[in-house]
Amino acid sequence: QVQLVESGGGVVQPGRSLRLSCAASGFTFSSYGMHWVRQAPGKGLEWVAEIWSDGLNKYYADSVKGRFTISRDNSKNTLYLQMNSMRAEDTAVYYCARAPSGYVYFDYWGQGTLVTVSS
Amino acid sequence: QSALTQPASVSGSPGQSITISCTGTSSDVGNYNYVSWYQQHPGKAPKLMIYDVTNRPSGVSNRFSGSKSGNTASLTISGLQAEDEADYYCSSFTSSSTVIFGGGTKLTVL
Repeated sequence: QVQLVESGGGVVQPGRSLRLSCAASGFTFSSYGMHWVRQAPGKGLEWVAEIWSDGLNKYYADSVKGRFTISRDNSKNTLYLQMNSMRAEDTAVYYCARAPSGYVYFDYWGQGTLVTVSS
Repeated sequence: QSALTQPASVSGSPGQSITISCTGTSSDVGNYNYVSWYQQHPGKAPKLMIYDVTNRPSGVSNRFSGSKSGNTASLTISGLQAEDEADYYCSSFTSSSTVIFGGGTKLTVL
């Protein structure tokens, strides 16, 4: 069965960095686009970033462009989100989500990992 | 880019039908048939309910249906059940090759 398991969340000080991982199993990881979506406490969903199945194309929300980097290792079935220059407003549960190649919907989601930016 | 516009809350009695709207612009909802809907129960990850405006994934009840007219997409839930009580989010592809979500709608089953 499809599984997406995020890790790497925690408490980080403003201006510092954190890297999230998303371990995928139960499907051919290299055939799917992958996304990060976040949800601030008590707030709605916010799309963060996308990476195509081959890793060659990446897209970002304006709110994280230049600070966050999405990447993947298809040999390890793992998705990453490198978050630099973090701000209080980056505090959220971060979900990784799978998207069928060529499509823009998320058919499987991880359980999420909480990131708190605070001094 | 601002979030797609959804009503903050809707409610209905068991057995009734409700519709949640999702209004965007000609740069997102109005120009692409890439609207999807997600259901989220408290403390849980979102679940895909509708994709590409009208398509229902395997395993999702046929009580859920989607449609679109111009810049507004809609999710209709017929035969409301207690377990439908949740938050619902729409999303759309945009002309910037990004994805935008709606602000979310809290559905209360009375």
